[in-house]
Order: sequence, then structure tokens, then C-alpha cells
Amino acid sequence: QQPVQSPQAVILREGEDAVINCSSSKALYSVHWYRQKHGEAPVFLMILLKGGEQKGHEKISASFNEKKQQSSLYLTASQLSYSGTYFCGTRTGSGNTGKLIFGQGTTLQVKP
Amino acid sequence: DGGITQSPKYLFRKEGQNVTLSCEQNLNHDAMYWYRQDPGQGLRLIYYSQIVNDFQKGDIAEGYSVSREKKESFPLTVTSAQKNPTAFYLCASSIYPGTGNTGELFFGEGSRLTVL
Repeated sequence: QQPVQSPQAVILREGEDAVINCSSSKALYSVHWYRQKHGEAPVFLMILLKGGEQKGHEKISASFNEKKQQSSLYLTASQLSYSGTYFCGTRTGSGNTGKLIFGQGTTLQVKP
Repeated sequence: DGGITQSPKYLFRKEGQNVTLSCEQNLNHDAMYWYRQDPGQGLRLIYYSQIVNDFQKGDIAEGYSVSREKKESFPLTVTSAQKNPTAFYLCASSIYPGTGNTGELFFGEGSRLTVL
């Protein structure tokens, strides 16, 4: 079942903060976050694993509440380059294997 | 350079015709995936394969077929049974996800299919 993201869209000024939420009705093993810029392929940002381990490539942060089956992505001091559509992807079950199901996306627009 | 190559980038099809989208990767990844992207609906999983000669249906497999005869190739056929095939199709691959690695997905540039 597709995870639910909120909000659907966010408009910010440079330097402002944003939080994007992702929730699932199923127990999660891991949560991935990706960003897609218009006309481009999605790019991996971060993974959060059951048990608290977190791995990412950029200076962004995220949380993973296993009990609530939720994850949040924190974008602080936003830059113009943060604009794009953010997707969370979830793997359910007992291991980090199998299919990765994505949410419907959150569109973020950062204005000067 | 290692990566994922999808072709064609743009494709037009008449109703009733089957069409095959190509996806090739030279990353030596075990797992490959096909997603469909429609506005407002995110990325929806069509099929995925974790090993050669094996694949599983995703959430919207009806009207699609795949094969995985080689590790580096995972073609998707959109058949005439797919009622609304006009969409953006993304192929992705990953190391077989497991302990010690993230199983992050690497995406191709996508193929945009339009049914006339």
C-alpha cells in the first residue's frame, strides 16, 4: 500500500525551513527519501533503517518513528537548489529487501 | 561511466499496439525495477526483479510484461491490454538490498510514452 505524504506542496522563501512527512499503514523496515527535479530522474537523498541507523549523501536530516510508522524529512535554511518533488519510499516486512513503494510526492518550491 | 540507460526517450504508439521499453544497466546491480509516473500519483511500481530469471508483480502490473534474461537488462512491454498507457516510465536498479548496504535506487532518465 502506497505511503501517504504531507503536505502535497510547499512554497518557501530562501532560508526558511520545511518538514515533509511520510506515513504508512504497514510496519516499516526502511524509509528512503528521493528528490526529483523537473525533467530529471529521481536522486537518492537518505535512507533510515529500523533500529535507528541513518545513511545519506547530503546535509539534510530525517527522523523515523517505527512505532508510528512515520518518517519526516527536515529541510533547514532552504536554498533555491532544494526545489523539486520529494518522494518517500518504503520497504515493509522484516528485512531491507523486496519492493520499494513510493508516496505520491511533495512538491517544494523555494523562491528568492 | 556506469549508469542506467533507457530507450527510447520518447515513444508514440497507436492504440492496440504493443511497445517495448528498453532498460540497460552497467552497475552490476542485482535488482531492477520499473515504475510508472503520472502527475499527482507519484511513482507506482509495475514490476521488479531481484535476480536473473525471476521477477515479481508490483502494484499495477496488469497490461505489462517483463523479462530478466540477463543481469544488465530488464525490458518492459506495454501491451494493448493496458487501458491507459500514456505515462512517464522510469527504470531503476540497486544492489541487492541487505545488511550493510542501503539498497538505494539509481534511476534512468525515463521514457515518455504517448498513445495516439
